[in-house]
Amino acid sequence: GQQLNQSPQSMFIQEGEDVSMNCTSSSIFNTWLWYKQEPGEGPVLLIALYKAGELTSNGRLTAQFGITRKDSFLNISASIPSDVGIYFCAGPISGNTGKLIFGQGTTLQVKP
Amino acid sequence: DTEVTQTPKHLVMGMTNKKSLKCEQHMGHRAMYWYKQKAKKPPELMFVYSYEKLSINESVPSRFSPECPNSSLLNLHLHALQPEDSALYLCASSQRARGVVSAGELFFGEGSRLTVL
Repeated sequence: GQQLNQSPQSMFIQEGEDVSMNCTSSSIFNTWLWYKQEPGEGPVLLIALYKAGELTSNGRLTAQFGITRKDSFLNISASIPSDVGIYFCAGPISGNTGKLIFGQGTTLQVKP
Repeated sequence: DTEVTQTPKHLVMGMTNKKSLKCEQHMGHRAMYWYKQKAKKPPELMFVYSYEKLSINESVPSRFSPECPNSSLLNLHLHALQPEDSALYLCASSQRARGVVSAGELFFGEGSRLTVL
């Protein structure tokens, strides 16, 4: 079945550093979604990508939809302490069911 | 602030109790979802409602019973749960028109933290 492989599993960085994480699959996806989840909260949609090659920004966040449709990456520039959380990539399972498949998440910790 | 509201935020129940989780959205979305999430793991799909009808049940045990009274409300009735059912239960909604699913953007509530003793 379809799977999303997300890496790295965790990151511990210094405030001000840039961060990069990615998501890959052996299957083609038509949409890539990036969510952030803070402790005790539900996931919040950060960026949605709909076209291969698309590059989209949301403040200090930039995400790209890979040309092969099998990968996506998320960059965070100049990290700040409130960037702490778990970042999940996600994509809809083929078949128009409304089901999303999630990556395993990247846990980000930022040292002030 | 999330536009999907879940209550209660925290729930502690015994294995013989009957309780319910509630979810409400006013974005006009016609698809609503229940997810279960364990600590540091991705959300796992439980149920999908499309136009108030159950469209997907991911082989969830019958001790979890979903209900969609109308297009804005989604309930999850809980009965005879086990300690391993303790988790964060997330409600989500997404746009759906003429039976066609949107690009898949889900909007999540803050979740209900369930502890089963």
